[in-house]
Amino acid sequence: ETGVTQTPRHLVMGMTNKKSLKCEQHLGHNAMYWYKQSAKKPLELMFVYNFKEQTENNSVPSRFSPECPNSSHLFLHLHTLQPEDSALYLCASSQDLSYEQYFGPGTRLTVT
Amino acid sequence: GENVEQHPSTLSVQEGDSAVIKCTYSDSASNYFPWYKQELGKRPQLIIDIRSNVGEKKDQRIAVTLNKTAKHFSLHITETQPEDSAVYFCVTGTASKLTFGTGTRLQVTL
Repeated sequence: ETGVTQTPRHLVMGMTNKKSLKCEQHLGHNAMYWYKQSAKKPLELMFVYNFKEQTENNSVPSRFSPECPNSSHLFLHLHTLQPEDSALYLCASSQDLSYEQYFGPGTRLTVT
Repeated sequence: GENVEQHPSTLSVQEGDSAVIKCTYSDSASNYFPWYKQELGKRPQLIIDIRSNVGEKKDQRIAVTLNKTAKHFSLHITETQPEDSAVYFCVTGTASKLTFGTGTRLQVTL
């Protein structure tokens, strides 16, 4: 285990649902990340938070909404998703931006 | 913005042979270059990293070389073993941004 946990591990949701993914790290890190991993694009960086401030948003659609209430927790709020949003969503944390990232186990999301 | 190109996208080598994966980047401000390995069904893990003040770094069978002038860096794996089979990602980083390569699927055959 890396010290980064994600819940739920699996999620099936309809296109009209609203759900949230949760990530928690117990490593004392200051930076947290959301990634999308699918067959089409092996690893896409979505959002970056450093010291609770969002520092990067890689042109992610607004149906994905991140939230970082403190440096240990990161959420990804989902609403009106599309089937093509089905993927593995990985969370990671690092001491700072240019340091080793520790990944969580991911949430396998299926949008029906 | 930064553009990172990673080649090849797939690589098959025989056990015991060497494997080389190359990445080129465009942002001259990049100063951190880690490599991540992701085995099938597992999460990515850092295997080696290098910073811009160093040209080469080695850790047992794995080495990374960096040419800042030409803006490219490479991962070298010697004496490959079946457990080296995985997807490898190169990354470039600055103080405020990370950019991932598109990944290389390495298959080590017996």
